[in-house]
Amino acid sequence: GQQVMQIPQYQHVQEGEDFTTYCNSSTTLSNIQWYKQRPGGHPVFLIQLVKSGEVKKQKRLTFQFGEAKKNSSLHITATQTTDVGTYFCAGRGAAGNKLTFGGGTRVLVKP
Amino acid sequence: DTEVTQTPKHLVMGMTNKKSLKCEQHMGHRAMYWYKQKAKKPPELMFVYSYEKLSINESVPSRFSPECPNSSLLNLHLHALQPEDSALYLCASSQVDMGFAGANVLTFGAGSRLTVL
Repeated sequence: GQQVMQIPQYQHVQEGEDFTTYCNSSTTLSNIQWYKQRPGGHPVFLIQLVKSGEVKKQKRLTFQFGEAKKNSSLHITATQTTDVGTYFCAGRGAAGNKLTFGGGTRVLVKP
Repeated sequence: DTEVTQTPKHLVMGMTNKKSLKCEQHMGHRAMYWYKQKAKKPPELMFVYSYEKLSINESVPSRFSPECPNSSLLNLHLHALQPEDSALYLCASSQVDMGFAGANVLTFGAGSRLTVL
């Protein structure tokens, strides 16, 4: 079955620094979604990417979808304490009717 | 209204109890989901309802019984659970699949944290 892997599992970032988390699928995806879950909270939708090579920005967050539609990345610039949480990617298979979540990247920010 | 409301927020039950988790949305979404999430793990799909009909059951044990009384409500009936079933149970809703147009963006509720003693 479809597998979605995320790296790194944990990311310790100094406040003000940049970091990137990566998502890789074993199969081609029709779209990929990113969610953020704050500690003690629930996943909240951030963005969806559909087109090959697509890049979308939300303030300090930049999301990319790979040309082959099998990988994606989330880059955060100038990390703030409000960025703390777990970032999940979730891929939808080309023929699929459900999302497969990656394992998540847990982000901790050092002030 | 852009919320998914789940009750109760916390539930403690014994292995012989029967309880239910409830979920409600008024966004006009016709797909509703139950996910189970263990600590430091991603959400794990349990059930999907589409137009009030069960469309996906991810081989969930029968001690979990979903019900979708109407397009706004989703229940999860619990009976004879095990301690390993303790987890955060998340309800979500979405528009119904529109092919490659990119539906199935999930709106999650805050979850029901279940402890089985």
